[in-house]
Amino acid sequence: DAGVIQSPRHEVTEMGQEVTLRCKPISGHNSLFWYRQTMMRGLELLIYFNNNVPIDDSGMPEDRFSAKMPNASFSTLKIQPSEPRDSAVYFCASSFGDLYEQYFGPGTRLTVT
Amino acid sequence: GESVGLHLPTLSVQEGDNSIINCAYSNSASDYFIWYKQESGKGPQFIIDIRSNMDKRQGQRVTVLLNKTVKHLSLQIAATQPGDSAVYFCAEKAAGNKLTFGGGTRVLVKP
Repeated sequence: DAGVIQSPRHEVTEMGQEVTLRCKPISGHNSLFWYRQTMMRGLELLIYFNNNVPIDDSGMPEDRFSAKMPNASFSTLKIQPSEPRDSAVYFCASSFGDLYEQYFGPGTRLTVT
Repeated sequence: GESVGLHLPTLSVQEGDNSIINCAYSNSASDYFIWYKQESGKGPQFIIDIRSNMDKRQGQRVTVLLNKTVKHLSLQIAATQPGDSAVYFCAEKAAGNKLTFGGGTRVLVKP
């Protein structure tokens, strides 16, 4: 299995631009999680989906952030407009059923200038 | 191991010695716990997990201990190797599938 796939691996953009991060979970997994990691705040859960349905989005910072999961094999996290404080590494993870172990992707390092 | 902003607690250990990484969790309703290892530039990688009906679980060179009375979790690594140098996170699960992560502990293995 290829594991969780994220793209792009690195993104550098200017303040005010739209950013879209992409994730392909492990085939057969039915839960998908988006995290943000910074030195100051550590690893924070932004949102998670179960069977493509958003279950908990309480970690989404503000309306500039949105996430979708149109099907079981694809999810996006969008930031519009982006701000310098959004600079972080964004991870996607997936899990199966009530096996709570989450498998993480390699992350997308986002830099907003 | 709790993060204090920019500074991660660091454990320096001699190669070949045993390492013990500690974690305090906050939610007495948590019923599942997990340890992850994160190497530089990579995503967190599963090490070992334990459910709340157990107090000890062993894997290959790793042991997790759970003390629910004091809400404490530890990870023991036997015969620490240079490849064990990384940041280690504990996480707890209460309701649903949501994991709440601790701040992490950096382990540095000295040759």
